[in-house]
Amino acid sequence: EIVLTQSPGTLSLSPGERATLSCRASQSVSSKYLAWYQQKPGQAPRLLIYGASSRATGIPDRFSGSGSGTDFTLTISRLEPEDFAVYYCQQYGSSPYTFGQGTKLEIK
Amino acid sequence: EVQLVQSGAEVKKPGESLKISCKGSGYSFTIYWIAWVRQMPGKGLEWMGMIYPGDSDTRYSPSFQGQVTISADKSISTAYLQWSSLKASDTAMYYCARLPGTYQAPDYWGQGTLVTVSS
Repeated sequence: EIVLTQSPGTLSLSPGERATLSCRASQSVSSKYLAWYQQKPGQAPRLLIYGASSRATGIPDRFSGSGSGTDFTLTISRLEPEDFAVYYCQQYGSSPYTFGQGTKLEIK
Repeated sequence: EVQLVQSGAEVKKPGESLKISCKGSGYSFTIYWIAWVRQMPGKGLEWMGMIYPGDSDTRYSPSFQGQVTISADKSISTAYLQWSSLKASDTAMYYCARLPGTYQAPDYWGQGTLVTVSS
């Protein structure tokens, strides 16, 4: 089973700043099968990025993903108030499709 | 419009059985995988397993194999997650999600079903 470790656990930033979230895998993730989700309190997760770098339908271009192998990054170029939430990475190249433990992005 | 609508919240006692549902609409139900994801109170997301409704091919995470049963009834576009004997540790929110393919990220999610197991 591939273990995903996200860092930091909590990130405190202000609106307008740039956010960089990390996801590291215990072994190489096949063919960039890495996704990022956003979850707000009381809501289901929302797909942001798939294939490590492709934005899902309707996702603003301030969200971008990068990386390959074992190291992946989600970048939010300029934080909007609605971006403060918990973010999860997930690998779906090797069963079981595992999630990271999450990064909480909070308002500073 | 693609929708996954889950059954309502449940309150059960330890040892009871339970089956929750996830009804898909707005797309061809039989050609997309449906996954189930657990989120315990205040915790992260856990992949439980998935089913292909077209032929009922089912794959479980080792952590959940033997603990739950995933099934689907393609005639009514509905997937299920069931327990034969609930434990207090099964208390969680359970989400279903649609996968466009075997190696695809879940793109649509249900609203979640809260299961509370308490004596």
